[in-house]
Amino acid sequence: QKEVEQNSGPLSVPEGAIASLNCTYSDRGSQSFFWYRQYSGKSPELIMFIYSNGDKEDGRFTAQLNKASQYVSLLIRDSQPSDSATYLCAVNMDFGNEKLTFGTGTRLTIIP
Amino acid sequence: NAGVTQTPKFQVLKTGQSMTLQCAQDMNHNSMYWYRQDPGMGLRLIYYSASEGTTDKGEVPNGYNVSRLNKREFSLRLESAAPSQTSVYFCASSRDAQYYGYTFGSGTRLTVV
Repeated sequence: QKEVEQNSGPLSVPEGAIASLNCTYSDRGSQSFFWYRQYSGKSPELIMFIYSNGDKEDGRFTAQLNKASQYVSLLIRDSQPSDSATYLCAVNMDFGNEKLTFGTGTRLTIIP
Repeated sequence: NAGVTQTPKFQVLKTGQSMTLQCAQDMNHNSMYWYRQDPGMGLRLIYYSASEGTTDKGEVPNGYNVSRLNKREFSLRLESAAPSQTSVYFCASSRDAQYYGYTFGSGTRLTVV
């Protein structure tokens, strides 16, 4: 069974520090990778996507992809209390397939 | 710019009752999805529709049926609700999931007693 694994946390990070969230996936043929943020009681919101090995930066967020090691990570610089949420990793595991497989999410708490 | 609209937002059912969750998107997306989210289980795919007129089972389809009424609308029906179907249900749509991911609706919190 194709899987996406995340540490459920909770992960506590002081305000202003870097939060590092990790995700591993089982299917070596996976093509595209997404990070969603979900506030408590709300729906998931897409914040980053990455297709190629290496880093992709967008404001305070950096997504990192290593296909050889089958992991993708999300770094949040200068963490703010408003970053406190659950972060879901999602993977498109079959090229041409219209489905994403989600991890169970990592709960992040930013401590003021 | 409504995006993906789900109704109702909350619902309480008695065991054995039936109901239909409605979902509509105004982004001209081809693909639509129904997920359930349970604590510790993450988002699990119930059914999806890659295009108008087609539907396919996901990971947890038992006890559910779907209808892709047209390109905009994708409904989820529970014929005989069970307590195990207590969950938060999300509808999502996508222009092309492998490149753009999904846009989610606001969710339906369903309790079956």
